[in-house]
Amino acid sequence: QQPVQSPQAVILREGEDAVINCSSSKALYSVHWYRQKHGEAPVFLMILLKGGEQKGHDKISASFNEKKQQSSLYLTASQLSYSGTYFCGTPNSGGGADGLTFGKGTHLIIQP
Amino acid sequence: SQTIHQWPATLVQPVGSPLSLECTVEGTSNPNLYWYRQAAGRGLQLLFYSVGIGQISSEVPQNLSASRPQDRQFILSSKKLLLSDSGFYLCAWGQGNYQPQHFGDGTRLSIL
Repeated sequence: QQPVQSPQAVILREGEDAVINCSSSKALYSVHWYRQKHGEAPVFLMILLKGGEQKGHDKISASFNEKKQQSSLYLTASQLSYSGTYFCGTPNSGGGADGLTFGKGTHLIIQP
Repeated sequence: SQTIHQWPATLVQPVGSPLSLECTVEGTSNPNLYWYRQAAGRGLQLLFYSVGIGQISSEVPQNLSASRPQDRQFILSSKKLLLSDSGFYLCAWGQGNYQPQHFGDGTRLSIL
């Protein structure tokens, strides 16, 4: 089943914060996050593993609550370079070696 | 370091023509390989994955096929293209469960 992302789109001013949510109807063992800029391939951001862990990459961090089958991506003090479409991907089974099912994406537009 | 190559970058084909897209990975051995398709403005859909030479798993019934003739080579083919085959085709590699998938630059396929 395809994970559900919200919101579908976000428009921010540079320096503002954003939260992107990803929820699944099936049990999750991990969640993958990617960013895709227009016309380019998706770029891996981070993987969250079960255990409620949080991860960070520069000013982008994420959390994973496997009991609620949800993950959230936090973008702090957004920069122009953060613009793009963010996708969460959930493993088809277990750890994802057999591929990921991606959400429809969240379009993030950062304005100066 | 590992790199992934896809070609061609852009392809325009008439309906009913054959297709062959190639993907190669360098700098790693025995990778898991994936073909995804992204329709315009949509999310990524897993088409095929492979965990080893000659091992192909299909996720979506369609007129496409995949082959893995060598450890680091993955080929997507069709005997007769349909209009609905248009899209952005992305090859990706990973090293197993709970590992990131890294995407090639993609092939933009237009069917006329």
